[in-house]
Amino acid sequence: DTGVSQDPRHKITKRGQNVTFRCDPISEHNRLYWYRQTLGQGPEFLTYFQNEAQLEKSRLLSDRFSAERPKGSFSTLEIQRTEQGDSAMYLCASSLSDLNTGELFFGEGSRLTVL
Amino acid sequence: KNQVEQSPQSLIILEGKNCTLQCNYTVSPFSNLRWYKQDTGRGPVSLTIMTFSENTKSNGRYTATLDADTKQSSLHITASQLSDSASYICVVSRANDYKLSFGAGTTVTVRA
Repeated sequence: DTGVSQDPRHKITKRGQNVTFRCDPISEHNRLYWYRQTLGQGPEFLTYFQNEAQLEKSRLLSDRFSAERPKGSFSTLEIQRTEQGDSAMYLCASSLSDLNTGELFFGEGSRLTVL
Repeated sequence: KNQVEQSPQSLIILEGKNCTLQCNYTVSPFSNLRWYKQDTGRGPVSLTIMTFSENTKSNGRYTATLDADTKQSSLHITASQLSDSASYICVVSRANDYKLSFGAGTTVTVRA
């Protein structure tokens, strides 16, 4: 499979617990993006990596959120001390080139439910 | 205010009928406009991408149009099928920017 892979697809957790999501982009894609999507809304930008460098982090990402892409390949998004408001679909996407011309490919998402 | 507005918010059509979805944007300077299809609980899948100079682009039964002067786009679905039931999201890219502007989507329900 050469698509963007996300794991887990679903996560149910209790408030206050930590969760981590993993994203494996399409191989050779050096650009990786994380988005959050709530019901009935379009995705909202969270953060962007070019290779292993995190170039921007949205102010939507509180200090409880951290993302890494240690070797410029897979990425992880960790949420510490989860809150009910963190319940959403977390989407990962990757592209080979910049978005002026490049296609953006999304994964199937990781749905988080915080009880 | 969202820089990408879609209408209608939702619509129901009978199988075999056509429908048109609208997207208005204020993103500037404009680079390109994309339409994505998102099935419930799945990630978005690209349908079309159009640059400033393109007025129309087709992908099977999906045809997108772009009027960069009025900053409007439409997505026309021909001869709808049950599998067309999904959310359709309009996405606009600003020149030299990696952050995309997403519309809230139009939810299409196709009924037999």
